[in-house]
Amino acid sequence: NFMLTQPHSVSESPGKTVTISCTGSSGSIVSNYVQWYQQRPGSAPTTVIYEDNQRPSGVPDRFSGSIDSSSNSASLTISGLKTEDEADYYCQSYDSSNHEVTFGGGTKLTVL
Amino acid sequence: QLQLQESGPGLVKPSETLSLTCTVSGGSISSSSYYWGWIRQPPGKGLEWIGSIYYSGSTYYNPSLKSRVTISVDTSKNQFSLKLSSVTAADTAVYYCARHLFRPGHTLFDYWGQGTLVTVSS
Repeated sequence: NFMLTQPHSVSESPGKTVTISCTGSSGSIVSNYVQWYQQRPGSAPTTVIYEDNQRPSGVPDRFSGSIDSSSNSASLTISGLKTEDEADYYCQSYDSSNHEVTFGGGTKLTVL
Repeated sequence: QLQLQESGPGLVKPSETLSLTCTVSGGSISSSSYYWGWIRQPPGKGLEWIGSIYYSGSTYYNPSLKSRVTISVDTSKNQFSLKLSSVTAADTAVYYCARHLFRPGHTLFDYWGQGTLVTVSS
């Protein structure tokens, strides 16, 4: 099974930049697009990045996504951190070999 | 604005079948290019895709749940449904329905319901 591995938690100060990684277990992460979702406590997830590096309308350009084929990983970078960015972040992709949608385990971002 | 709303019992007994319905409003469930999916989240844990269905009835299921899951669609009511059989306490979770853009190389959940907590307990 294709798995996506994220750090359990990250923390950074307001105004700084943080990067959350998402590493694929096998195959190539570039084979299928990666999405990133933000989930605040008690709420449904919302998309902050789709198709590896595209931002939905309404998502500030402080959020960016990238792919590193050499490490088979995707990254979500949030610059100019605000306290409102504090949330859980999930990466998500697709394993075309067995038609399975996969989520990473999630990363809790603390802004303090 | 597309909206999705989950409905169904909040408490299910062990070994019984969990049944939920998602009602779609503000758009047609028969839209091309979109599947309709179920995702769950156990308390304090991460997201798990359960499965997705196209308006024609074509389905994809999470292999780990496939033997217990049935997803169906009712285009006349603009609804789709989830049935999960032989539930245990491990199936206790918030269940979300979502619109699922699903095509080769690309899969995105772009609209989500608010989620409904289902507890499995006697």
